[in-house]
Order: sequence, then C-alpha cells, then structure tokens
Amino acid sequence: SAVISQKPSRDICQRGTSLTIQCQVDSQVTMMFWYRQQPGQSLTLIATANQGSEATYESGFVIDKFPISRPNLTFSTLTVSNMSPEDSSIYLCSVVVLLASVNNEQFFGPGTRLTVL
Amino acid sequence: KQEVTQIPAALSVPEGENLVLNCSFTDSAIYNLQWFRQDPGKGLTSLLLIQSSQREQTSGRLNASLDKSSGRSTLYIAASQPGDSATYLCAVSTTAGNKLTFGGGTRVLVKP
Repeated sequence: SAVISQKPSRDICQRGTSLTIQCQVDSQVTMMFWYRQQPGQSLTLIATANQGSEATYESGFVIDKFPISRPNLTFSTLTVSNMSPEDSSIYLCSVVVLLASVNNEQFFGPGTRLTVL
Repeated sequence: KQEVTQIPAALSVPEGENLVLNCSFTDSAIYNLQWFRQDPGKGLTSLLLIQSSQREQTSGRLNASLDKSSGRSTLYIAASQPGDSATYLCAVSTTAGNKLTFGGGTRVLVKP
C-alpha cells in the first residue's frame, strides 16, 4: 500500500477565492488521480495528473477551473479556482503504487473537506 | 459508458448478522473491481480487489465474489460488528491503471 497525505484536511473559503490542495505519497506511484465527492454523493473523477505534462480532464471539468500540477512521481496539487458554494465537496487524491501496479489497486488519501461560503 | 449501481442504498442489521452488499455494472469488460470502506467525512480504505480473471477474494471476515458475465459483485461481511458501520463503495476499472467508476454506495449501520 502507500501512505498518502493531503493538505489542508479541511478549509472554509469565501466565494471567488482559490484553494490549492496538496497530495504527497511516501512511495513512487505510476498514476495519480483527483476525485470530487459532493455532499451525499459518490466519487466522480476530475482528472488524471500526468507527471511533467498537462492533466487529462474528464467531461465536465476544465483546466481553468481545476488546474493540476504533478512535478514528480510522489506529489501533486489541485487548485479549485474562483470558488462558488457549489464547489463545496470532499476532494480526494488517489494513486496506483508502482510496486503494486500489476494489480492496479488504487489507494486514496484522507481527503480535503472544502466549504465555500 | 460504464454505470455502477449498488443496492440497497442503506442497510441496518443487529450485531452478529451477516451482511450482503450488492454491486452491478453495465459493461462486463472490466479490468478489476475494488471494494472500499468510507467512514463519515473521511477518505476511502481499500478492502478487497478482484481481478477480472478471479471469481472471489477473501480477507478475514470479508469475502467478495465476482461474476463478470452477469456484471455483478457481492461483498459478504460475516458476523457483523458495530465497528463495521460505514459506507461501502464498489468501483470498477475498464482498462489497466485507469480511472475508477464508482457506485453510489451502501450505508451500513450495525446495531449493538
């Protein structure tokens, strides 16, 4: 498995501002993903974070709203830009660990609970 | 487009009963299926992963079966305990190392 940390664990923000969420993994991973979980809902994939290149976004998510960086194999950031109350969600990063990549088992971070007022 | 459904959405049982959670998916061309546990306001804990070539996986009191042809998986939790109270999510991937499609989850309450 992998130990995944996210910062911040939670935040309350004003509309119109931006928040950057960090995801750090203790081992090298092949793939990193960002998910959103809106209140009372299941998880929806936002994008795949690609090392050294632009992220691959799912339908309904755009780079201007959710810019993502992944400078190396163990770290990624997700920014939620120009926030509105509809962005209030839990944001989770997940990884596929290199040594376990044959199974492609995904492990999740603890999540960042965002509330936008 | 892959769709994943979990029934029931919520389940309440007395302590000691066995739990049966169902997951169905529309596209049988999956790479693997994972079961997760999520406690309120927390992240996901991976419970079991079943490869598409496998029919079941076991870990302690947990057993997950997979019938790929019919698009179904079942998670069994034996002799439930109050600590098993959580939301259980199943998710499938259709290509190697690629994104997961999640079901809506089953919220479980085990009453002491």
